[in-house]
Amino acid sequence: QSVLTQPASVSGSPGQSITISCTGTTSDFVFYKFVSWYQKHPGTAPKLIIYEGAERPSGVSSRFSGSRSGSTASLTISGLQPEDEADYYCCSCSHYRNCVFGAGTKVTVL
Amino acid sequence: EVQLVESGGRAIRPGGSLRLSCAGSGFTFDDHGMSWVRQAPGKGLEWVSGINWKGDDTDYADSVKGRFIISRDNAKNSLSLQMSSLTADDTAFYYCARHSIYGSGSYFDHWGQGTLVTVSS
Repeated sequence: QSVLTQPASVSGSPGQSITISCTGTTSDFVFYKFVSWYQKHPGTAPKLIIYEGAERPSGVSSRFSGSRSGSTASLTISGLQPEDEADYYCCSCSHYRNCVFGAGTKVTVL
Repeated sequence: EVQLVESGGRAIRPGGSLRLSCAGSGFTFDDHGMSWVRQAPGKGLEWVSGINWKGDDTDYADSVKGRFIISRDNAKNSLSLQMSSLTADDTAFYYCARHSIYGSGSYFDHWGQGTLVTVSS
């Protein structure tokens, strides 16, 4: 089973861009193509913000974007806003099996 | 509108058993695999268990294998998690999540609001 490594915290000022990395320890094809990203505010359910590495669900701000380079997937938040302060998790699943989450990254808006 | 509503969480003694349920509505329940994901206090998200659309194939995290059983009743649009031999490490919010599959992978496109399980003496 792969392990997904994320930085513990990232911070930025309003209007800035930040990038959260998610690095896999496996060469499994599934990881590279099927990383999803979730936003979680305290006391609320996780929310899907990026799927299939770079696709954005309807209703999710275009300020969120996903990309991949080599063994690392990335989430970029552009034009950082106070409401973006939350925990962000990357995840990879083989259908309903072998799902793994990264440890999460706390985003702080300064 | 897709809705997932969990129930069954409560305080329970170590070693006890508990059954969580998740009621799905607003979508064709048996078109989707489903999973349980949990978050312990102050910790990150942890995938617990998943089940295919038909209910005849399941998978578990190593941390719960042999203690938890996932099942579904498509006629009732319901997902369940039977938990046994509970320990303090199982204390968490438990979320029901719907899978959307693409190729060899999937993602969780809808989540319930969660139900709290507290294991304490």
